[in-house]
Amino acid sequence: DAKTTQPNSMESNEEEPVHLPCNHSTISGTDYIHWYRQLPSQGPEYVIHGLTSNVNNRMASLAIAEDRKSSTLILHRATLRDAAVYYCILRDVSTYKYIFGTGTRLKVLA
Amino acid sequence: DGGITQSPKYLFRKEGQNVTLSCEQNLNHDAMYWYRQDPGQGLRLIYYSQIVNDFQKGDIAEGYSVSREKKESFPLTVTSAQKNPTAFYLCASSMRQGAWEQYFGPGTRLTVT
Repeated sequence: DAKTTQPNSMESNEEEPVHLPCNHSTISGTDYIHWYRQLPSQGPEYVIHGLTSNVNNRMASLAIAEDRKSSTLILHRATLRDAAVYYCILRDVSTYKYIFGTGTRLKVLA
Repeated sequence: DGGITQSPKYLFRKEGQNVTLSCEQNLNHDAMYWYRQDPGQGLRLIYYSQIVNDFQKGDIAEGYSVSREKKESFPLTVTSAQKNPTAFYLCASSMRQGAWEQYFGPGTRLTVT
């Protein structure tokens, strides 16, 4: 199974943009890149997903490298409510299974 | 409001006892999933179900059992055969197995002593 590598933790100041990196050097051509976030003692929440092209939605943007071996989740203006663990996940198209890593714990400083 | 409910939020059991965790959804989703999360770790798939009366083992199914008799319900039983049952258990659903987004419940924290 393809795996992802993320920094254990990152910090950001409130109102500033945040770039959360993810490496997935063994990604296959049909694996989709998904991002979820998890607040303390809650279930994960979908953020965004993509295959090859950059994607934008109301929560965030996803920038995917041309070789697809890495991606970056961009929060345009971090708020205190964005403090969470962010998971970069590859989804196996053949089984539809999510392969979770350990995620990045984002701290947002007021 | 549509969503996924898991009950109870905290559950305590003695070693050697079976325990059943509840998961109900009113989203009319076909697919449902059970995950286990240990401290500081990501989620691992226990079982999943694409439709009623059908389910498949995930990556760590040993010591667990499930049933899917109704579309809205997917209970998970943690049996005494599960060697390390203490964990945070999360239920999720999606419109179908291949849908982009999984919706997660609030989780049940099980402690076995």
